[in-house]
Amino acid sequence: SYVLTQPPSVSVAPGKTARITCGGNNIGSKSVHWYQQKPGQAPVLVIYYDGDRPSEIPERFSGSNSGNTATLTISRVEAGDEADYYCQVWDSSSNHVVFGGGTKLTVL
Amino acid sequence: QAQLQESGPGLVKPSETLPLTCAVSNYSISSGFYWGWIRQPPGKGLEWIGSINHRGSTSYNPSLKSRVTISVDTSKNKFSLKLNSVTAADTAVYYCARQPGGCSSGDCYLNWFDPWGQGTLVTVSS
Repeated sequence: SYVLTQPPSVSVAPGKTARITCGGNNIGSKSVHWYQQKPGQAPVLVIYYDGDRPSEIPERFSGSNSGNTATLTISRVEAGDEADYYCQVWDSSSNHVVFGGGTKLTVL
Repeated sequence: QAQLQESGPGLVKPSETLPLTCAVSNYSISSGFYWGWIRQPPGKGLEWIGSINHRGSTSYNPSLKSRVTISVDTSKNKFSLKLNSVTAADTAVYYCARQPGGCSSGDCYLNWFDPWGQGTLVTVSS
């Protein structure tokens, strides 16, 4: 089955740029979606179709996808961005929704 | 904006069936979209359970398919999950969510989940 690999943790200082990767075999041929989950809360969609942003999500959040890696980029990181982030795809070969293992973003 | 709310027992005994319902408000299930269930064991990541559309067409996680049934009741604007033969490993927060999807030229696809319900914790224990 298709596997998505995320780093367990990423740390960044306030005001800097955080990049969270999501690796998968030829993931560039799939549409990648990203979620933010804060403690005790349900996940929230922050990026869909690789780089589109829901209207309520700040422009600081962006996404890209090419080759074997998709990336969620958070610019000008704020303390409120500290959360777990998950990537997700639809694997058409197995007709299966797949989530990455999640990355904990720590704002130093 | 559609709103989703999960409901069901917070405690289920091992080997029994876990039943959950997701009530949808501010949007008619009959209008379209898929409707999915996702779970998250304590301290762990997200796992897709399965999804259903308003016509009753389903797609399940292969690892759970033998134990899962998802159904939809458009008259009550609700969809439901039944997970059979539960064990402690099924202890998790269970979420329901709306999901764009469809079929084109024979190929079917499911996209992102948005919005999500608040989630409900189900513990499997005797």
